[in-house]
Amino acid sequence: EDQVTQSPEALRLQEGESSSLNCSYTVSGLRGLFWYRQDPGKGPEFLFTLYSAGEEKEKERLKATLTKKESFLHITAPKPEDSATYLCAVQAVYNFNKFYFGSGTKLNVKP
Amino acid sequence: ETGVTQTPRHLVMGMTNKKSLKCEQHLGHNAMYWYKQSAKKPLELMFVYSLEERVENNSVPSRFSPECPNSSHLFLHLHTLQPEDSALYLCASSHPGQTNTEAFFGQGTRLTVV
Repeated sequence: EDQVTQSPEALRLQEGESSSLNCSYTVSGLRGLFWYRQDPGKGPEFLFTLYSAGEEKEKERLKATLTKKESFLHITAPKPEDSATYLCAVQAVYNFNKFYFGSGTKLNVKP
Repeated sequence: ETGVTQTPRHLVMGMTNKKSLKCEQHLGHNAMYWYKQSAKKPLELMFVYSLEERVENNSVPSRFSPECPNSSHLFLHLHTLQPEDSALYLCASSHPGQTNTEAFFGQGTRLTVV
Protein backbone atom coordinates (compact mmCIF):
# COMPACT_ATOMS: atom_id res chain seq x y z
CA GLU A 1 0.00 0.00 0.00
CA ASP A 2 1.32 3.41 -0.92
CA GLN A 3 1.87 5.63 2.10
CA VAL A 4 3.78 8.59 3.48
CA THR A 5 5.00 9.04 7.06
CA GLN A 6 6.39 12.30 8.36
CA SER A 7 8.44 12.87 11.49
CA PRO A 8 8.58 14.44 13.91
CA GLU A 9 4.94 15.39 14.33
CA ALA A 10 5.98 18.71 15.89
CA LEU A 11 9.32 20.49 16.17
CA ARG A 12 10.24 23.52 18.25
CA LEU A 13 13.45 25.36 17.35
CA GLN A 14 15.17 28.47 18.50
CA GLU A 15 15.82 31.05 15.83
CA GLY A 16 19.05 30.10 14.06
CA GLU A 17 18.94 26.47 15.21
CA SER A 18 19.16 24.30 12.07
CA SER A 19 17.33 20.98 11.82
CA SER A 20 15.73 18.49 9.43
CA LEU A 21 12.25 17.13 8.81
CA ASN A 22 11.80 13.58 7.55
CA CYS A 23 9.39 12.10 5.03
CA SER A 24 9.47 8.31 4.59
CA TYR A 25 7.50 6.89 1.71
CA THR A 26 6.37 3.60 0.24
CA VAL A 27 5.12 3.76 -3.32
CA SER A 28 5.03 1.37 -6.23
CA GLY A 29 7.18 3.43 -8.56
CA LEU A 30 7.83 7.04 -7.59
CA ARG A 31 6.81 9.68 -10.12
CA GLY A 32 7.54 12.62 -7.84
CA LEU A 33 7.87 13.71 -4.22
CA PHE A 34 6.50 17.10 -3.24
CA TRP A 35 7.02 19.43 -0.30
CA TYR A 36 4.48 22.02 0.74
CA ARG A 37 4.26 24.67 3.43
CA GLN A 38 0.90 25.33 5.07
CA ASP A 39 0.06 28.26 7.32
CA PRO A 40 -2.93 27.99 9.71
CA GLY A 41 -6.27 28.28 7.95
CA LYS A 42 -4.69 28.47 4.49
CA GLY A 43 -4.08 26.13 1.61
CA PRO A 44 -0.73 24.36 1.15
CA GLU A 45 1.89 26.37 -0.72
CA PHE A 46 4.08 24.44 -3.14
CA LEU A 47 7.80 24.41 -2.33
CA PHE A 48 9.68 21.66 -4.22
CA THR A 49 9.36 18.65 -6.46
CA LEU A 50 11.98 15.89 -6.42
CA TYR A 51 11.92 13.17 -9.05
CA SER A 52 14.91 10.88 -8.51
CA ALA A 53 17.20 9.69 -5.73
CA GLY A 54 20.14 12.03 -5.21
CA GLU A 55 18.26 15.08 -6.38
CA GLU A 56 18.40 18.26 -4.26
CA LYS A 57 16.46 21.51 -4.45
CA GLU A 58 17.04 24.74 -2.49
CA LYS A 59 15.02 27.82 -1.73
CA GLU A 60 16.26 30.42 0.73
CA ARG A 61 16.80 28.58 4.05
CA LEU A 62 15.20 25.35 2.83
CA LYS A 63 16.89 22.43 1.11
CA ALA A 64 15.10 19.24 0.09
CA THR A 65 16.88 15.95 -0.62
CA LEU A 66 15.65 12.57 -1.83
CA THR A 67 16.73 8.94 -1.43
CA LYS A 68 14.94 5.78 -2.55
CA LYS A 69 13.06 5.55 0.74
CA GLU A 70 12.87 9.04 2.23
CA SER A 71 13.20 12.74 1.78
CA PHE A 72 14.57 15.36 4.12
CA LEU A 73 13.71 19.02 4.36
CA HIS A 74 16.69 20.78 5.90
CA ILE A 75 16.09 24.16 7.48
CA THR A 76 19.21 26.25 7.96
CA ALA A 77 19.22 29.08 10.51
CA PRO A 78 15.42 29.27 10.66
CA LYS A 79 13.53 32.45 11.41
CA PRO A 80 10.17 32.81 13.18
CA GLU A 81 8.49 33.36 9.79
CA ASP A 82 9.45 29.78 8.88
CA SER A 83 6.93 28.57 11.45
CA ALA A 84 4.29 26.52 9.61
CA THR A 85 3.23 22.95 8.94
CA TYR A 86 5.34 21.25 6.29
CA LEU A 87 3.62 18.59 4.21
CA CYS A 88 5.14 15.88 2.08
CA ALA A 89 3.31 14.08 -0.74
CA VAL A 90 4.18 11.43 -3.32
CA GLN A 91 2.81 10.59 -6.73
CA ALA A 92 3.07 7.15 -8.30
CA VAL A 93 4.04 6.41 -11.90
CA TYR A 94 0.89 4.30 -12.38
CA ASN A 95 -1.50 7.06 -11.33
CA PHE A 96 -0.68 10.69 -12.00
CA ASN A 97 -4.08 11.68 -10.62
CA LYS A 98 -3.34 10.85 -6.98
CA PHE A 99 -1.15 12.57 -4.41
CA TYR A 100 -0.56 10.67 -1.15
CA PHE A 101 0.01 13.10 1.70
CA GLY A 102 1.67 12.64 5.08
CA SER A 103 0.24 14.14 8.27
CA GLY A 104 2.80 16.94 8.28
CA THR A 105 5.38 18.36 10.69
CA LYS A 106 4.34 21.43 12.62
CA LEU A 107 7.40 23.67 12.97
CA ASN A 108 7.56 26.43 15.58
CA VAL A 109 10.57 28.74 15.49
CA LYS A 110 10.94 30.90 18.57
CA PRO A 111 12.79 34.24 18.49
CA GLU B 1 -5.99 36.76 -11.46
CA THR B 2 -3.70 33.76 -11.22
CA GLY B 3 -3.58 30.50 -9.29
CA VAL B 4 -6.45 28.65 -7.68
CA THR B 5 -9.32 30.60 -6.13
CA GLN B 6 -11.90 29.17 -3.75
CA THR B 7 -15.12 30.75 -2.57
CA PRO B 8 -16.44 31.22 -0.03
CA ARG B 9 -13.51 31.27 2.43
CA HIS B 10 -15.79 30.53 5.37
CA LEU B 11 -19.19 28.83 5.49
CA VAL B 12 -21.50 27.99 8.38
CA MET B 13 -24.45 25.82 7.50
CA GLY B 14 -27.16 23.89 9.25
CA MET B 15 -27.60 20.19 8.72
CA THR B 16 -30.66 20.73 6.52
CA ASN B 17 -29.11 23.40 4.29
CA LYS B 18 -27.86 23.08 0.74
CA LYS B 19 -24.76 25.02 -0.26
CA SER B 20 -22.03 24.88 -2.88
CA LEU B 21 -18.29 25.45 -2.80
CA LYS B 22 -16.66 26.92 -5.87
CA CYS B 23 -13.13 26.57 -7.21
CA GLU B 24 -11.56 28.25 -10.23
CA GLN B 25 -8.06 27.76 -11.60
CA HIS B 26 -6.18 30.06 -13.95
CA LEU B 27 -3.14 27.83 -14.49
CA GLY B 28 -4.17 26.03 -17.65
CA HIS B 29 -4.30 22.71 -15.81
CA ASN B 30 -6.52 19.84 -16.87
CA ALA B 31 -6.97 18.01 -13.55
CA MET B 32 -8.80 19.31 -10.48
CA TYR B 33 -9.17 17.87 -7.00
CA TRP B 34 -11.23 18.18 -3.84
CA TYR B 35 -9.48 17.38 -0.56
CA LYS B 36 -10.81 17.38 2.99
CA GLN B 37 -8.48 18.43 5.80
CA SER B 38 -9.47 17.65 9.38
CA ALA B 39 -7.40 18.39 12.46
CA LYS B 40 -4.48 16.01 12.98
CA LYS B 41 -5.27 13.95 9.86
CA PRO B 42 -3.56 13.77 6.48
CA LEU B 43 -5.29 15.41 3.57
CA GLU B 44 -8.08 13.11 2.40
CA LEU B 45 -8.63 12.93 -1.33
CA MET B 46 -12.33 13.16 -2.14
CA PHE B 47 -12.67 13.55 -5.91
CA VAL B 48 -10.46 13.94 -8.96
CA TYR B 49 -11.50 15.25 -12.33
CA SER B 50 -9.24 14.85 -15.34
CA LEU B 51 -10.28 16.51 -18.59
CA GLU B 52 -13.68 17.17 -16.97
CA GLU B 53 -14.27 13.48 -16.31
CA ARG B 54 -14.41 12.13 -12.77
CA VAL B 55 -11.57 9.63 -12.39
CA GLU B 56 -11.43 9.18 -8.62
CA ASN B 57 -14.18 8.95 -6.05
CA ASN B 58 -12.80 7.85 -2.70
CA SER B 59 -15.90 6.41 -1.02
CA VAL B 60 -17.24 9.85 -0.25
CA PRO B 61 -20.80 10.01 1.17
CA SER B 62 -23.47 11.00 -1.33
CA ARG B 63 -24.20 14.18 0.62
CA PHE B 64 -21.12 15.53 -1.21
CA SER B 65 -21.70 15.94 -4.94
CA PRO B 66 -18.97 17.28 -7.24
CA GLU B 67 -19.43 19.00 -10.55
CA CYS B 68 -16.83 19.98 -13.15
CA PRO B 69 -18.44 21.95 -16.00
CA ASN B 70 -15.09 22.72 -17.65
CA SER B 71 -11.37 22.34 -16.96
CA SER B 72 -11.19 25.66 -15.09
CA HIS B 73 -14.10 25.27 -12.69
CA LEU B 74 -14.97 22.78 -9.98
CA PHE B 75 -17.90 22.76 -7.57
CA LEU B 76 -18.73 20.76 -4.48
CA HIS B 77 -22.45 20.66 -3.74
CA LEU B 78 -23.34 20.02 -0.11
CA HIS B 79 -26.63 18.83 1.38
CA THR B 80 -27.81 17.37 4.69
CA LEU B 81 -24.31 17.45 6.13
CA GLN B 82 -23.30 16.15 9.55
CA PRO B 83 -21.27 17.97 12.22
CA GLU B 84 -18.33 15.63 11.53
CA ASP B 85 -18.16 17.10 8.02
CA SER B 86 -16.83 20.34 9.52
CA ALA B 87 -13.32 20.76 8.08
CA LEU B 88 -11.17 22.75 5.69
CA TYR B 89 -12.07 21.85 2.11
CA LEU B 90 -9.26 22.37 -0.34
CA CYS B 91 -9.33 22.52 -4.10
CA ALA B 92 -6.22 21.85 -6.16
CA SER B 93 -5.23 21.61 -9.80
CA SER B 94 -2.40 20.04 -11.74
CA HIS B 95 -1.35 19.04 -15.23
CA PRO B 96 -0.52 15.31 -15.03
CA GLY B 97 0.71 15.13 -18.61
CA GLN B 98 3.43 17.74 -18.15
CA THR B 99 6.95 17.30 -16.82
CA ASN B 100 6.05 19.30 -13.71
CA THR B 101 3.10 17.50 -12.16
CA GLU B 102 2.87 19.24 -8.80
CA ALA B 103 -0.54 20.32 -7.55
CA PHE B 104 -1.39 23.89 -6.63
CA PHE B 105 -3.94 24.57 -3.94
CA GLY B 106 -6.50 27.23 -3.24
CA GLN B 107 -6.84 28.90 0.15
CA GLY B 108 -9.62 26.55 1.20
CA THR B 109 -13.15 26.89 2.51
CA ARG B 110 -13.53 26.52 6.27
CA LEU B 111 -16.84 24.71 6.68
CA THR B 112 -18.69 24.53 9.97
CA VAL B 113 -21.82 22.38 10.20
CA VAL B 114 -24.09 23.27 13.10
